[in-house]
Amino acid sequence: DAGITQSPRHKVTETGTPVTLRCHQTENHRYMYWYRQDPGHGLRLIHYSYGVKDTDKGEVSDGYSVSRSKTEDFLLTLESATSSQTSVYFCATKKTGAPANTGELFFGEGSRLTVL
Amino acid sequence: DAKTTQPTSMDCAEGRAANLPCNHSTISGNEYVYWYRQIHSQGPQYIIHGLKNNETNEMASLIITEDRKSSTLILPHATLRDTAVYYCIGPYLKAGGTSYGKLTFGQGTILTVHP
Repeated sequence: DAGITQSPRHKVTETGTPVTLRCHQTENHRYMYWYRQDPGHGLRLIHYSYGVKDTDKGEVSDGYSVSRSKTEDFLLTLESATSSQTSVYFCATKKTGAPANTGELFFGEGSRLTVL
Repeated sequence: DAKTTQPTSMDCAEGRAANLPCNHSTISGNEYVYWYRQIHSQGPQYIIHGLKNNETNEMASLIITEDRKSSTLILPHATLRDTAVYYCIGPYLKAGGTSYGKLTFGQGTILTVHP
């Protein structure tokens, strides 16, 4: 357990509004990830971070931005939410010191976002 | 990128072994096989991974064929709490590479454990 807390856990918003999801971890893990999960698509990587202020795009990054100003927090922002961004969003972390190529991740409980 | 193929669903009786297959025929020699599971709507949970040899931990065993084109996740004594979606992960993470833990999840196998 990496002590991952996602907030909010549930959110309903309207098209065109900005939305920020927060991932907070208490284990000082270096790597952090944002995934989205949709029926028929499994989990898809949006963005990831390999250190403070170091982020990179995943496979479905369009319409999303991230920020990591401190180790424990990784923010996912939808600048102008669209209905296609209705999804369940999962944050994940990987231990500091773990090899860069290891795939043992710890996941949060998810944030369900509905864009009307 | 390597691809995985898993059955859509499987059933298992409580107390029996659950054997979940995965085909990864395009895997390269230095790429790992990873397994995760997702219970109900929770976040995915890491189970086990392997490269060439069979692996066992407190959760499960992983049997990888000699040609590495397929693997089987074994839950030796399935319980009702093992009902979940099980993911065999691809693309795989290369040994010695720097893929930063980027995982790609497919549709997985829905395992239902019956009383």
